Amino acid sequence: QKEVEQNSGPLSVPEGAIASLNCTYSDRGSQSFFWYRQYSGKSPELIMSIYSNGDKEDGRFTAQLNKASQYVSLLIRDSQPSDSATYLCAVMGGRRALTFGSGTRLQVQP
Amino acid sequence: KAGVTQTPRYLIKTRGQQVTLSCSPISGHRSVSWYQQTPGQGLQFLFEYFSETQRNKGNFPGRFSGRQFSNSRSEMNVSTLELGDSALYLCASRDSGANVLTFGAGSRLTVL
Repeated sequence: QKEVEQNSGPLSVPEGAIASLNCTYSDRGSQSFFWYRQYSGKSPELIMSIYSNGDKEDGRFTAQLNKASQYVSLLIRDSQPSDSATYLCAVMGGRRALTFGSGTRLQVQP
Repeated sequence: KAGVTQTPRYLIKTRGQQVTLSCSPISGHRSVSWYQQTPGQGLQFLFEYFSETQRNKGNFPGRFSGRQFSNSRSEMNVSTLELGDSALYLCASRDSGANVLTFGAGSRLTVL
């Protein structure tokens, strides 16, 4: 079992729709969770961080964390073609090393 | 503040050679992490340095090594290159006590 699992996609949504990206992790002791966005040929850039159960909103992005279910999600409202990228879920464990999922490729259709 | 700077951006080597990649973190950041990214394996953690000491290490063979200097700049070295070492090598820095990593643009290594 991979430590951080994501559906590789592609996830295709129409412009203006809500994109829902999901991630599960295996280390129950993980305390910090991140979503990074990576455009093709570029390096990952941080979108959201979340540390406690519940929702955290930042503009069109909402991160959701459920530690009991070991589940993290990212919602993108009013999806735009510029949101088309690979979204990487990352989990920080006890040693403070960041473990990444393989990423979900999102395609927003104009 | 300037971001994380990685050099060189692109390089081509042949099997058996060695390579050294350099990373300058954001000013004031003392932690530098290295990751390897390939299409098949995704982003994999290589190692992290803090104040010139290796703090964490991933599951890579001993051919992969690194070091950090007193000014927090870091280098990683790969010896006896193999075709499978072709990848994007990403460096990231973070502030002391912080969890958020900021990545550099990466060094793309091609091994022929």
